[in-house]
Amino acid sequence: GAGVSQSPSNKVTEKGKDVELRCDPISGHTALYWYRQSLGQGLEFLIYFQGNSAPDKSGLPSDRFSAERTGGSVSTLTIQRTQQEDSAVYLCASSLAAASQHFGDGTRLSIL
Amino acid sequence: GIQVEQSPPDLILQEGANSTLRCNFSDSVNNLQWFHQNPWGQLINLFYIPSGTKQNGRLSATTVATERYSLLYISSSQTTDSGVYFCAVTPTGANSKLTFGKGITLSVRP
Repeated sequence: GAGVSQSPSNKVTEKGKDVELRCDPISGHTALYWYRQSLGQGLEFLIYFQGNSAPDKSGLPSDRFSAERTGGSVSTLTIQRTQQEDSAVYLCASSLAAASQHFGDGTRLSIL
Repeated sequence: GIQVEQSPPDLILQEGANSTLRCNFSDSVNNLQWFHQNPWGQLINLFYIPSGTKQNGRLSATTVATERYSLLYISSSQTTDSGVYFCAVTPTGANSKLTFGKGITLSVRP
């Protein structure tokens, strides 16, 4: 497809389980971003990948969160030992270098 | 970090009315985007506008970078314009991550 694709669209899991969220950016976009949207915190930055540079992880809320981007394309955000406060919509965006960011439809994560 | 303030927080319009949404930011920016989040949660790109004026149909936007504000104009509003409008910026010299305002909730009534 032409847009940013995220999967799954919804994920329900039990507290303490690990989850993996996937993002397929727009073809040719060198920059990839993860954000999350929660009721109390609004939209907040998590992590940023640009080409082969070291990622900017400054927004990750704890060491339970990690992300990787393989082959400069697909990215996976992993949350270990999930907590209820991790419940949120996780959004992925991509762009051409420092240009307009385009967002996927997000993954709605619910921790029971 | 940079502060992004949007106003008003909520807006109710009758269909056909015009409106202006404002975004103030506390530092110089090299990226400013306006988004519309529809009732299904999708974030739709409206404008990439770090400076100047752009128009797209009934929508237009102006950013006055030297005075650190941006305006989004909606003319002849329609019920499908309802949702939350976000302004997001990247400070000059920072990497490309966006800092979002809290959004403006717009309800357009038929």
